[in-house]
Amino acid sequence: QVQLVQSGAEVQKPGASVNVSCKASGYTFTNYALHWVRQAPGQGLEWMGWINPGNGDTKYSQKFQGRVTVTRDTSANTAYMVLSSLRSEDTAVYFCALAAPNDAFDSWGQGTMVTVS
Amino acid sequence: QSALTQPRSVSGSPGQSVTISCAGTSSDVGGYKYVSWNQQHPGKAPKLVIYDVTKRPSGVPDRFSGSKSGNTASLTISGLQAEDEADYYCCSYAGSYTWVFGGGTKLTVL
Repeated sequence: QVQLVQSGAEVQKPGASVNVSCKASGYTFTNYALHWVRQAPGQGLEWMGWINPGNGDTKYSQKFQGRVTVTRDTSANTAYMVLSSLRSEDTAVYFCALAAPNDAFDSWGQGTMVTVS
Repeated sequence: QSALTQPRSVSGSPGQSVTISCAGTSSDVGGYKYVSWNQQHPGKAPKLVIYDVTKRPSGVPDRFSGSKSGNTASLTISGLQAEDEADYYCCSYAGSYTWVFGGGTKLTVL
C-alpha cells in the first residue's frame, strides 16, 4: 500500500535552511503529484507547493516563493523540500501529501517537526 | 491567496448531524469542482474524507457527505459518533496549479 515516510525532526537556527525528505513506496513515484503542507503549533494547514515527479515541474504558494525549493530523486523515489532563510514563524510540522488516486490530498506522510530557535 | 473561511468550532450530540461550512470566492471554491475535506485527530496526520466536492474515498463511511452552493462548500456528518471528534479542514483548487486551505473547524461530540 501507499506509504510516505518523512525524515526526522530538525532544529535549526534563524537564517539557516532545512531539508525535509519524503520517501514514497507502494505506487509508481513518477505518476502522481506530491504536495507540501505545513502546520504551525495550534494552527491550521497551509499549502506550500507541489512537484510533478515525472518531469520535475513545481509550483509554489506566493507566500513561500523565493524561499522554498522542492526537488525529487526518481532513483530513490524521494521528494525533498528545502526552506531557506528560516525565522521563528517557520516552526511547524511539515507534511508531504500524495495526490493519488483521487487527485486530492489522498495520503499523507507522518509529518516532520521543524523548530527554528 | 487568502485562507478559506470556516467556523472555529461546531458541536453535536451522538446520532445528530452537523454541517461545517467553507466560504471562499469565485476564484477558488466557486470556480472549480475541486473542493476536498480532511479530518485530523490530535497529533496525527490529516485524512481525506471528501474530494471533488461530493465524492468519498474508499473506506470513508457514507455518514460523511459534501456539497457546494456558489462560493461556499459544506461538509455534513450524520449519525455523529465519538470518533468523529476532530479538526476538519476544507481545501480548494485556486487556479494556476495552486491550492488553498480553510482555517479549520474543531468538531466536538457532546
